[in-house]
Amino acid sequence: SQWGEENLQALSIQEGEDVTMNCSYKTYTTVVQWYRQKSGKGPALIILIRSNEREKRSGRLRATLDTSSQSSSLSITGTLATDTAVYFCATDSNTGYQNFYFGKGTSLTVIP
Amino acid sequence: GGIITQTPKFLIGQEGQKLTLKCQQNFNHDTMYWYRQDSGKGLRLIYYSITENDLQKGDLSEGYDASREKKSSFSLTVTSAQKNEMAVFLCASSMDNTGQLYFGEGSKLTVL
Repeated sequence: SQWGEENLQALSIQEGEDVTMNCSYKTYTTVVQWYRQKSGKGPALIILIRSNEREKRSGRLRATLDTSSQSSSLSITGTLATDTAVYFCATDSNTGYQNFYFGKGTSLTVIP
Repeated sequence: GGIITQTPKFLIGQEGQKLTLKCQQNFNHDTMYWYRQDSGKGLRLIYYSITENDLQKGDLSEGYDASREKKSSFSLTVTSAQKNEMAVFLCASSMDNTGQLYFGEGSKLTVL
């Protein structure tokens, strides 16, 4: 089943650069959630975008959603070393809102 | 704010052993989840529970049992530990149909 799945990636960038991560999913979703997981911690929600939204911003974060291509992106501008983490997208299943599917994640390293 | 507490943080067991992980939340959330996180893979749902004494199977429930003894606690039992299931187990909870998940820090299982 491969909902909310982006290819496992490892990105390494310099502090201050901008970065974009992508997520594609294979069935309808009402929401795409982006989570950040720092080493040794559980994932934490950083931004949520609903199917009736095309773009959502939160500070240095920007999420987009294209329901026609079933894809979402997460951009971080002016990255900081503290942005180093694994980023996951999650989509809901059509069996109910209480069941979510997570992608493999993008491992981002920001070099100070 | 609330917190999700998982115990133990590290669990070492023998192959074939029955092992139990525990999770407590003080958010007063109705729904709780157990996910498994393997290295390089996304989170996969094992079980979830929408209320006390309710259990719903996820994609990865085979080989596991769960118990929702009360609203604040959700336990997961590995019925017969195998070496190929060494992973981090993440407990989460959610309040409503916005679907935001709040995660614990995880329990790392090692099978000898």
